[in-house]
Amino acid sequence: AQSVTQLDSQVPVFEEAPVELRCNYSSSVSVYLFWYVQYPNQGLQLLLKYLSGSTLVESINGFEAEFNKSQTSFHLRKPSVHISDTAEYFCAVSESGAAGNKLTFGGGTRVLVKP
Amino acid sequence: DTGVSQNPRHKITKRGQNVTFRCDPISEHNRLYWYRQTLGQGPEFLTYFQNEAQLEKSRLLSDRFSAERPKGSFSTLEIQRTEQGDSAMYLCASSATGYEQYFGPGTRLTVT
Repeated sequence: AQSVTQLDSQVPVFEEAPVELRCNYSSSVSVYLFWYVQYPNQGLQLLLKYLSGSTLVESINGFEAEFNKSQTSFHLRKPSVHISDTAEYFCAVSESGAAGNKLTFGGGTRVLVKP
Repeated sequence: DTGVSQNPRHKITKRGQNVTFRCDPISEHNRLYWYRQTLGQGPEFLTYFQNEAQLEKSRLLSDRFSAERPKGSFSTLEIQRTEQGDSAMYLCASSATGYEQYFGPGTRLTVT
């Protein structure tokens, strides 16, 4: 069974400052890794994913995450945040090779961007 | 592609009543998932369909819960004899590959 830990439940950050959201996972098998974002009053949206290949993955809106197998981490970063990045961010894993690819989520990190 | 839709968006019911939620996946997505999210927590997996076959169920899915996906299109999730602990957001997701799951807006259930 997998588990996901998001170490920070809330992260306040000023506009144009960098932000890092930490995610650690535990699994006895290889995993796929995901970050989802949930804007206020909206559904979950896939932000980025790691399936294989380059350990650094990027989203279209400036976020990036790096898969670190030795540290079992998949931290999310953005060098300069905007007010519109205010949202809750969820890290998730699924077991690679499993038929269903069900997702196991962390508890979420709420990011509040202040002007 | 109109996205995943869920109905109703909100449901308030009294303890002991039965409720049913509907999920319409993205057309041609053969995989459909149900998750439950309680306040302040991440979503938790409930069950998974590939086409009309229910292939996996979580231990969270007690005997009071049942899900169906007739003809491999829309899906329904029914909760019988609701309890206050069932209050949560019920999320549906669909996928063509299993690697990218697209979520609906959810149905918020409040049991009074």
